Amino acid sequence: QSVLTQPPSASGTPGQRVTISCSGWGSNVGSNTVNWYQQVPGTAPRVLIYNNNQRPAGVPDRFSGSKSGTSASLAISGLQSEDEGDYYCAAWDDSLNGPVVFGGGTKLTVL
Amino acid sequence: QVQLVQSGAEVKKPGASVKVSCKASAYTFTNYYIHWVRQAPGQGLEWMGRINPTSGGTDYAQKFQGRVTVTRDTSIRTAYMELSRLRSDDTAIYYCARATYYYDDSASPAGYYFDYWGQGTLVSVSS
Repeated sequence: QSVLTQPPSASGTPGQRVTISCSGWGSNVGSNTVNWYQQVPGTAPRVLIYNNNQRPAGVPDRFSGSKSGTSASLAISGLQSEDEGDYYCAAWDDSLNGPVVFGGGTKLTVL
Repeated sequence: QVQLVQSGAEVKKPGASVKVSCKASAYTFTNYYIHWVRQAPGQGLEWMGRINPTSGGTDYAQKFQGRVTVTRDTSIRTAYMELSRLRSDDTAIYYCARATYYYDDSASPAGYYFDYWGQGTLVSVSS
């Protein structure tokens, strides 16, 4: 069981906007920042969002992040077929779970 | 360009140990922590441990305490993760990743993210 909770699946059609949620606790999401990773099958994860809502160089602005309280969200606008894959949230954790905890991952399907 | 190159796939029997290497290039090895994350077949990501390449100091997930050891050799810019007393549920892809810190408005560390990952090493444990 993962410390952070994500929906197991999400889907959308090309051009749509999709959001993926990440629910945590006071020791992690509630008191620390959240990062998001994308993993295309057969490859290593890559960072999409760090510090709740910052994009590293090279990540399209179609990807955005937000956080409120013990929940965070990743939004993908203008959905494209290449966005299909698994998405993971991650956060520092101040408890014995830490220092890094991940969500269980959300499989995004582009219909 | 920054690269982390890991050692090749391993097949081990239950009870054995495995040591995976992660060789860094194109950046100052001692400036960034190296973390280890694993992914069992069809499962999510699981953090295992980290090492400060400068001091050699380590932290491990409680789940792996006593079974995992992360080390480094700065002369060859390589980090290692050794997992002992292997079980079948240790079958997974093991990744190393470089951590980059980010800071808040008062210049205090606010967190870090994994900006570069190794290609992964499949460790299979079977009798």
